[in-house]
Amino acid sequence: EPEVTQTPSHQVTQMGQEVILRCVPISNHLYFYWYRQILGQKVEFLVSFYNNEISEKSEIFDDQFSVERPDGSNFTLKIRSTKLEDSAMYFCASSPGTSYEQYFGPGTRLTVT
Amino acid sequence: AQRVTQPEKLLSVFKGAPVELKCNYSYSGSPELFWYVQYSRQRLQLLLRHISRESIKGFTADLNKGETSFHLKKPFAQEEDSAMYYCALYNFNKFYFGSGTKLNVKP
Repeated sequence: EPEVTQTPSHQVTQMGQEVILRCVPISNHLYFYWYRQILGQKVEFLVSFYNNEISEKSEIFDDQFSVERPDGSNFTLKIRSTKLEDSAMYFCASSPGTSYEQYFGPGTRLTVT
Repeated sequence: AQRVTQPEKLLSVFKGAPVELKCNYSYSGSPELFWYVQYSRQRLQLLLRHISRESIKGFTADLNKGETSFHLKKPFAQEEDSAMYYCALYNFNKFYFGSGTKLNVKP
């Protein structure tokens, strides 16, 4: 069964550095998402992406964040200048259409020191 | 605004005991509610959806619009049910998750 994959599983970075989190969605899916979960808190929606552009973003998704689909398979989340409060688990998800059928990746744990 | 509340961070029960994981929501329209489960070191997986009204792994959940609740229930808990459970509301192509309840089923 196809799955969403994410790399790396754990990323440690220093405050102020740029990080890129990578996701490979399920191949025939058209919609892509990023969610974030700060330790001990709820999973929060960050952004959705369709047809090579952002379709919706939350207020968390400020100018420090960007998403890209650089080729036919990867979907990336870039944080330009990381802050301590960006430390969280980041989940990628994909869906075949605009439906609840979002398939989640295993997550990338980002630790900003 | 949409909000999902799971009041219990941790729920411990013995194997064979009934389980109820509480979820309350705040939403002005007709909600689409879901339960997701995350087993240790695994990804979030859809457990069930309120519209389907089916039982998955012995779990059921009933939408109570009067009480704005969507509690997850299982009559006899099993050790393999130990996991994090998240209630989620789906609206306009994104999920609003509760903070999760860790279910610990003791032998």
